This record gives sequence, C-alpha cells and structure tokens, in this order.
Amino acid sequence: DVKVTQSSRYLVKRTGEKVFLECVQDMDHENMFWYRQDPGLGLRLIYFSYDVKMKEKGDIPEGYSVSREKKERFSLILESASTNQTSMYLCASSLRLGGGLSYNEQFFGPGTRLTVL
Amino acid sequence: QKEVEQNSGPLSVPEGAIASLNCTYSDRVSQSFFWYRQYSGKSPELIMSIYSNGDKEDGRFTAQLNKASQYVSLLIRDSQPSDSATYLCAVNMYSGAGSYQLTFGKGTKLSVIP
Repeated sequence: DVKVTQSSRYLVKRTGEKVFLECVQDMDHENMFWYRQDPGLGLRLIYFSYDVKMKEKGDIPEGYSVSREKKERFSLILESASTNQTSMYLCASSLRLGGGLSYNEQFFGPGTRLTVL
Repeated sequence: QKEVEQNSGPLSVPEGAIASLNCTYSDRVSQSFFWYRQYSGKSPELIMSIYSNGDKEDGRFTAQLNKASQYVSLLIRDSQPSDSATYLCAVNMYSGAGSYQLTFGKGTKLSVIP
C-alpha cells in the first residue's frame, strides 16, 4: 500500500511565524503535490513537483514556497503565516504525470489542520 | 477554464438503497477519472478509477463513464451508514506543454439513513 505521511495532524501558529509542513511518501513516486482544502472551495493546488529539486506553481502559490531535496520528501513553507492561511493542508503523491494516457492516481496523506492566530 | 462539476448535496438515501453520484467535466480530451471518498475531518481516499467508456464494478461500487457526454458517475449499491461521506470526482485534464493535472470537483455529501 502507498503510504503518505505528514509531520503533524494539528498545528497552531502565530501570525508572522515561519511554518514548515513536511510530507514523506514511501512508494518511490515521482510526483508530489500540496493542496489546501477549505469549506465551499474544495481542494486547491498550491504547488507540485515532478522530480527532485523541481517545482511548479499550482493555482494558489502566493504566500507559499516548497522544497524537494529528496525524492520521498516534499515540504511546504509558509514564510510569514497569516490568518487567511488557516486551513487543512493535504499532501499527495502519484506515480506518473502527463503522457498520452496518463493515469495520475493520487494518494493523500492524513492532512495537517493548521490554525494561524 | 477546466472544470469538474458535482451536485453538492446533501444526498440522502435510506440504508440498503442505491446511491447515485454524478459528475460532469469540461475537457473533452480527458482520459482518466477517479472517485475519492472523504470522511469528515479526514483526507480523501481513492476508491475507484475508470479510463474507458462503460461500467467498472468493484464490490458495491460501480463507476460509469460516458466520454461523449463528458459524464462520470458512481453508484453505491446496498448503501450502508458507513458510506456517509463526501465523494469527490477527479478528472485528469490537459494543462498545457504536454502535462496533465488532476482537477477535483467540490464533492457531493452523501448521508445514508439507517
């Protein structure tokens, strides 16, 4: 079974703090993703990575950065947390992306519920 | 704009009935389609994948795909209270430069009444 783990289930931070969210997958997947999920807005893609040291902006990258130094690990960084970044953050991984017949099944970690005060 | 549309619900069905969840998508060239189940406070869990027109069955779940109508559905037979969750439809859509991106609907909340 694919296993995606996230460093924290619940996190409380103060406005202006630097926040690191860590994600690790154990299935040698090339692709990793960070989403946030908010009521009424659904899942929104923040950043994704299809290889070590590679990153691509998703739909809402503002206020976030990412790091992928190793294939199995993908970190989301909030440089200066703000209250509007209070959300559920979900990491996912998949085996492939793109191609003529692309399957792109994504597997999610348990999520981190971040509260910024 | 690449879109995946779902009725937000809630959809209420009695225990033992068939629950029917529907999804439409905007990109005609999409090739792969997924259904995720998400319990309240938990992360999405992949329950079905479908790539060809027609039906695909897995236990009590049946996914149906009609690419001509840009429509994908999920049927849950013999619905159980444990099926009460939000169901997310996801479609692999072309995002340019030879790459694809998974686009999620906002989900349909299903409630199975004992």
